[in-house]
Amino acid sequence: QITLMESGPTLVKPTQTLTLTCTFSGFSLSTSGVAVGWIRQPPGKALEWLAVIYWDDDKRYSPSLKSRLTITKDTSKNQVVLTMTNLDPVDTATYFCAHTDCYDSDAFYYEILDFWGQGTLVTVSS
Amino acid sequence: QLVLTQSPSASASLGASVKLTCSLNSGHSDYAIAWHQQQPQKGPRYLMKVNIDGSHTKGDGIPDRFSGSSSGAERYLTISSLQSEDEADYYCQTWGNGIWVFGGGTKLTVL
Repeated sequence: QITLMESGPTLVKPTQTLTLTCTFSGFSLSTSGVAVGWIRQPPGKALEWLAVIYWDDDKRYSPSLKSRLTITKDTSKNQVVLTMTNLDPVDTATYFCAHTDCYDSDAFYYEILDFWGQGTLVTVSS
Repeated sequence: QLVLTQSPSASASLGASVKLTCSLNSGHSDYAIAWHQQQPQKGPRYLMKVNIDGSHTKGDGIPDRFSGSSSGAERYLTISSLQSEDEADYYCQTWGNGIWVFGGGTKLTVL
């Protein structure tokens, strides 16, 4: 059974750095084809992809936020950490992490976000 | 630039069927997509992936009432025999060239 849980501060001041942790169970991020991604959702708005880290430690970032994001993994602790610098009130959102299944099938390549955490709300305010 | 477009809202009556659309922008019409459901005050749930040929594979425990299909650059999610718990936001999502993209979501109201 795959589960993921996000944790971190609920309130952050502008210009500060946010550190979020995704703690998971039911899979290993050292297994080929596995990835964990971060996605956020401002109140009342759509989902927005932030970053993903793969089993081989490859990392990808949203182009619009790349300069502010860092994603790392600790395989021994079953955790993925996302750091976002220079927070602004527009970064107020619920932050989700998701297990991703990466594979080839019939000449197509898939990255399927098949299990999600419940999310953690982060408010940026002075 | 990879873009997914969804209608902001849709509605249908209890017990009826509804078909939600996700449109891939020009140059990306051969992409597969995934559908995710987000019920009020909950995290998203993966529903299925939909390929260019309309074939689809559902996630664990997704009812038979949910199905996917394709036509050109359009990817569809059809929900039949609508139930009250189907009232939710539905997002399409895809991947490629090192990025993930979400559509703007469709809010489904069950009347």
